[in-house]
Amino acid sequence: KQEVTQIPAALSVPEGENLVLNCSFTDSAIYNLQWFRQDPGKGLTSLLLIQSSQREQTSGRLNASLDKSSGRSTLYIAASQPGDSATYLCAVVWNTGNQFYFGTGTSLTVIP
Amino acid sequence: KAGVTQTPRYLIKTRGQQVTLSCSPISGHRSVSWYQQTPGQGLQFLFEYFSETQRNKGNFPGRFSGRQFSNSRSEMNVSTLELGDSALYLCASSRTGPEQYFGPGTRLTVT
Repeated sequence: KQEVTQIPAALSVPEGENLVLNCSFTDSAIYNLQWFRQDPGKGLTSLLLIQSSQREQTSGRLNASLDKSSGRSTLYIAASQPGDSATYLCAVVWNTGNQFYFGTGTSLTVIP
Repeated sequence: KAGVTQTPRYLIKTRGQQVTLSCSPISGHRSVSWYQQTPGQGLQFLFEYFSETQRNKGNFPGRFSGRQFSNSRSEMNVSTLELGDSALYLCASSRTGPEQYFGPGTRLTVT
C-alpha cells in the first residue's frame, strides 16, 4: 500500500532555530514529491517541488531533499520565524498514478 | 496572474441535500483536481479532470461526481449529503507539469 507519513505531528521551536521536518513514503518508485504549507482554515501554498531525478531543491530559507532509496524527504527551514508557524504537508505522486498522496502533516509553532 | 478561485467559500447544508462547488483554475491550466480534507482522514484525492475528461478517480462513493467545462472551470457535486461529508474541499490546477496550485477551499458543513 502506498502511504506517506510525517512525524512528528506537532513541533514547537524558539524563533531563530534551524529545524527539519520529515516525510517518509512506502514505495521508492515516485514521480515527484511536493512540500506545501497550510495556514489554519486556508488552502495549500506550494513551497518546493522535487522531481524524481532530483536530490534537492532550495527556495530562500527552505531546502528540501529527496532520498528515494530510503523513502525519505526532509524540509529544512533555516532561522525560523513566527511567520513560519503553519502546518507543513508533503505529497507524493507515484509512477503508477497521477494523484497526490498526502501525509498528515506537521504542525509547526515558532515561539517569539 | 490570478490564482485558483473556489466558490462559495463557506456552505451549510442539511443531510440529504445536494451541493455543487465550483473551481476556476489559473489561466492556461487545463488540469483540475479535487481533494477532501477532514481532521480524521487528512487530505484525500477525489478526482482529476483534464480537457473535460475525468482522467483519474479516488476511492469515493458515486455520490461524489464532477465535470469540467471547455474553459477548464470545474464543478463537483455531492448528492444525498451525509454528516461525514463535512470537510474542506480543495481544488488544484496545473498546466501540464506535475506542480499543482491550490485554491483557498470551500468549507462545507452538513447538519
